[in-house]
Amino acid sequence: EVQLVESGGGLVQPGESLRLSCMASGFIFKSYEMNWVRQAPGKGLEWVAYISGGGSNIIYADSVRDRFTISRDNVKNSLFLQMNSLRAEDTAVYFCARDVSLGVLDHWGQGTLVTVSS
Amino acid sequence: DIQMTQSPSTLSASIGDRVTITCRASQFTSTWVAWFQQKPGKAPKLLIYKASTLQTGVPLRFSGSGSETEFTLTISGLQPDDFATYYCQQYNSYPFTFGGGTKVEIK
Repeated sequence: EVQLVESGGGLVQPGESLRLSCMASGFIFKSYEMNWVRQAPGKGLEWVAYISGGGSNIIYADSVRDRFTISRDNVKNSLFLQMNSLRAEDTAVYFCARDVSLGVLDHWGQGTLVTVSS
Repeated sequence: DIQMTQSPSTLSASIGDRVTITCRASQFTSTWVAWFQQKPGKAPKLLIYKASTLQTGVPLRFSGSGSETEFTLTISGLQPDDFATYYCQQYNSYPFTFGGGTKVEIK
């Protein structure tokens, strides 16, 4: 069974950093592209970042480029999102999502809440 | 970026109703569109991909259609478990973008 479990969320002040993790199981992690998608409280879904299976290709949303870094460890079956210079508008539940093929996000984790507030 | 305009934002319906949700893309997206269902406090669940392909395990009352810039999600015979929020998403190009969501409520 495919499982994605996020962790690392919490309450931080504006300007601080946080690192999210997504532990994958039930599939050959290195064979799949992965994404982060976020959802602000009461709002819709916003795609954040993409990373290829080997980690060499990376794409970011304009809203997080130069502040967030996506990475992965294919030995530890883990996906990461390093978030720096956090802003109030980054407050959201962050989901990791598996790309099964050409952008189809077929499995999602349960999400981890990041709150940026002073 | 491709904007996805979804309508309606809220929909009131009864058990057994046929429900249609529409999504319009600001640019050509071929059939690279997916539909998700999300319940409160849960992750989105993939229902449809490539505009009309039903994800494994999704009930046959869900169907998708459309191409280029106009897409629809239809629920034929609304069930109690279907009351949720639905999102369209284009994956024709990055950045992937989602519609604003349609909340299906009990009438």
